[in-house]
Amino acid sequence: EDQVTQSPEALRLQEGESSSLNCSYTVSGLRGLFWYRQDPGKGPEFLFTLYSAGEEKEKERLKATLTKKESFLHITAPKPEDSATYLCAVQAGGGGSNYKLTFGKGTLLTVNP
Amino acid sequence: GAGVSQSPRYKVAKRGQDVALRCDPISGHVSLFWYQQALGQGPEFLTYFQNEAQLDKSGLPSDRFFAERPEGSVSTLKIQRTQQEDSAVYLCASSLLGVGNQPQHFGDGTRLSIL
Repeated sequence: EDQVTQSPEALRLQEGESSSLNCSYTVSGLRGLFWYRQDPGKGPEFLFTLYSAGEEKEKERLKATLTKKESFLHITAPKPEDSATYLCAVQAGGGGSNYKLTFGKGTLLTVNP
Repeated sequence: GAGVSQSPRYKVAKRGQDVALRCDPISGHVSLFWYQQALGQGPEFLTYFQNEAQLDKSGLPSDRFFAERPEGSVSTLKIQRTQQEDSAVYLCASSLLGVGNQPQHFGDGTRLSIL
């Protein structure tokens, strides 16, 4: 069974204080690893897709990296508007159900001014 | 529209009532998904459509849950004889193609509360 574990569950940072969120996964053949941002009362907003170990993607203050067992979302010099829940999800490549996403519980990030 | 649209945004029903939740996917998107999100949890897969065909309904919690997408566009998730444990946010997502590793784009969900 595919599993995704995110840590920490909650993270509080001061504005400008860089940090990383972790996503550990077990999946039968990774087709893709996805990062989403979710604001309160909203649906998940797509950020990145990573396909293979060693891959990195960047967007503004966010950089996502991928190894064979985990992914990191690095946040550089965060601002209060980066406060949200960050969700990690995997899509398995083996077998028939290679379209559905298996999500972790998310990391609630709070950035204080 | 520009994104996935869901209605209603909020639904309150008494236990035992039937409810219907609507999803308008991004125009032209082949794949449509329904997920259920409990408070403090990540979304959990319910069902998947490719055009009008329901290819996977393995995540539907019971036979009280039914989904359809008759013309390959708008989808409806129906819950019959609702129970308190059905209270959750129901998210709809769509993706452009009918193959894996395409990003899924989510609507803002319907928050269902069963009294």
